[in-house]
Amino acid sequence: EAQVTQNPRYLITVTGKKLTVTCSQNMNHEYMSWYRQDPGLGLRQIYYSMNVEVTDKGDVPEGYKVSRKEKRNFPLILESPSPNQTSLYFCASSLIAGDNEQYFGPGTRLTVT
Amino acid sequence: AQSVTQPDIHITVSEGASLELRCNYSYGATPYLFWYVQSPGQGLQLLLKYFSGDTLVQGIKGFEAEFKRSQSSFNLRKPSVHWSDAAEYFCAVGARETGGFKTIFGAGTRLFVKA
Repeated sequence: EAQVTQNPRYLITVTGKKLTVTCSQNMNHEYMSWYRQDPGLGLRQIYYSMNVEVTDKGDVPEGYKVSRKEKRNFPLILESPSPNQTSLYFCASSLIAGDNEQYFGPGTRLTVT
Repeated sequence: AQSVTQPDIHITVSEGASLELRCNYSYGATPYLFWYVQSPGQGLQLLLKYFSGDTLVQGIKGFEAEFKRSQSSFNLRKPSVHWSDAAEYFCAVGARETGGFKTIFGAGTRLFVKA
């Protein structure tokens, strides 16, 4: 089944404790992206990747890192999480960037205390 | 800078009534335009998209949208709403940048359907 998977689905952590949210797609998509969703703000793009080893900042990259060493994986790293990073995170992928549907993962709800 | 505005935070319509959700964008070139739907507790699903060609596009679930360049709008419509359409709807713009491609979403419009 074609899908985007994220892990974990739910995470509660404390300020400053490094964490990684994994994202994997099995559709051989080139374009992958991370978003955060907050009430009243919609989805905001954190980082995106046009292809392997090619990543770039979205609109809200501060406090996040990503890597794209393999085509299927695009982990999101929070080196030192803070409470303002409490949010619902979505990973998405599309065949290529442009006029292509993005397929979204199920979301990861992160709480930083 | 690119931006997407969905003026209505929430809309309530009666089942069987028509629906129009508004979307306005700001972008210097021809944008890639999308409408996504998010059901409670779910990820997002694409309803329809537009980049070129016929400015009236048909999507899934009976939805359609019309691109109006002069108004920088891409409004979503459905002639007869079903209770299962209750969800949150997001308009999005895809924008090419030097070497990259950003996606900007609106804040969303939550649709409530009255029986």
